[in-house]
Amino acid sequence: DAGVIQSPRHEVTEMGQEVTLRCKPISGHDYLFWYRQTMMRGLELLIYFNNNVPIDDSGMPEDRFSAKMPNASFSTLKIQPSEPRDSAVYFCASRSRRLNTEAFFGQGTRLTVV
Amino acid sequence: KQEVTQIPAALSVPEGENLVLNCSFTDSAIYNLQWFRQDPGKGLTSLLLIQSSQREQTSGRLNASLDKSSGRSTLYIAASQPGDSATYLCAADSNSGYALNFGKGTSLLVTP
Repeated sequence: DAGVIQSPRHEVTEMGQEVTLRCKPISGHDYLFWYRQTMMRGLELLIYFNNNVPIDDSGMPEDRFSAKMPNASFSTLKIQPSEPRDSAVYFCASRSRRLNTEAFFGQGTRLTVV
Repeated sequence: KQEVTQIPAALSVPEGENLVLNCSFTDSAIYNLQWFRQDPGKGLTSLLLIQSSQREQTSGRLNASLDKSSGRSTLYIAASQPGDSATYLCAADSNSGYALNFGKGTSLLVTP
């Protein structure tokens, strides 16, 4: 397996624009997580899914943020409209509860909102 | 919610020293504790996973221990090398949720 795949790796956008981040988890993993990392706040859990169903979205900062998982192999995190304070590195991770595996992380998407 | 704290925030040691990184968590009802390494500008690399039924895990020069009753884990690095310089992150889940909650990390610098 190629691991957790995120796209794009880098995104620069203007304030007010819509941004969509994408994630492909490891095949067979039933949990998918979205995290945001900043210098000030470290790694924050935004939302996670189990079998494509959102379980906890209490970390989503505002209604401008939304996440979907239409199938077991794809998830999106959308920010609309984007603001400069959304600039951060966004990570996607997956793991298998049935096998109780480690969590594996993607390489992240570095988002800059100007 | 599981709260994770790491001490120290930064550490600088000369090459060859053995060192210990500390992690504490508030909810002892965990499934797993996982240690990661992160190099500047890079993603997270998993180092060790300790399941709740285990007391420690070892991989090469790394050894991680888990004491659920006291809410603590330590990562021991033997014979440190400059290539070990990175940020080390500790993360724990809990029975109330399978998501990993992270500490702020320990930034390690090993000088030649």
